[in-house]
Amino acid sequence: KNEVEQSPQNLTAQEGEFITINCSYSVGISALHWLQQHPGGGIVSLFMLSSGKKKHGRLIATINIQEKHSSLHITASHPRDSAVYICAVSGSNYQLIWGAGTKLIIKP
Amino acid sequence: KAGVTQTPRYLIKTRGQQVTLSCSPISGHRSVSWYQQTPGQGLQFLFEYFSETQRNKGNFPGRFSGRQFSNSRSEMNVSTLELGDSALYLCASSLEVAGSTGELFFGEGSRLTVL
Repeated sequence: KNEVEQSPQNLTAQEGEFITINCSYSVGISALHWLQQHPGGGIVSLFMLSSGKKKHGRLIATINIQEKHSSLHITASHPRDSAVYICAVSGSNYQLIWGAGTKLIIKP
Repeated sequence: KAGVTQTPRYLIKTRGQQVTLSCSPISGHRSVSWYQQTPGQGLQFLFEYFSETQRNKGNFPGRFSGRQFSNSRSEMNVSTLELGDSALYLCASSLEVAGSTGELFFGEGSRLTVL
């Protein structure tokens, strides 16, 4: 079993829908990262969080440390949100453990 | 503030050759990590350097090596190239925040093709 599990692996939705991507982990962490990778390959950091909730525009990230679970939400989804969303956790000795990513496609 | 710079962006090599890739982190960042991404695959962690020391290492053969200089610039080297080494190689830099890896900043990557 992977230490970081993301679900779903693939998600296709219509423009305007509310999107939720989940990340569960089994190790102790000091922080959790959400990143976005567009088809061109560039990776952008969306959030880094260790507790609670963060919001940036239409993106919201939450984390529940007790349940070892985080969610990334996208409100009013748009085709430009189509990308791979990656969860990574910062474990001991600053080591990052990566999820396999969720491929999101938003259809107009 | 300049971002993470990777060079070269594209390169073509033949089997058996060796290659060196460079990564210049954001000024002030002392952690540099390297990743391999093959088509349709997720990020595979290669290694991470902090203050010129390799702090973490992924499960790659010894043909993959790296180093970090005193100015935090990092290089990775792949010797005796194989066809399967064709991939996008990404580096990321970060600050440390309260004993944890800080926000990650990725370069555009170096796309290696091995013929």
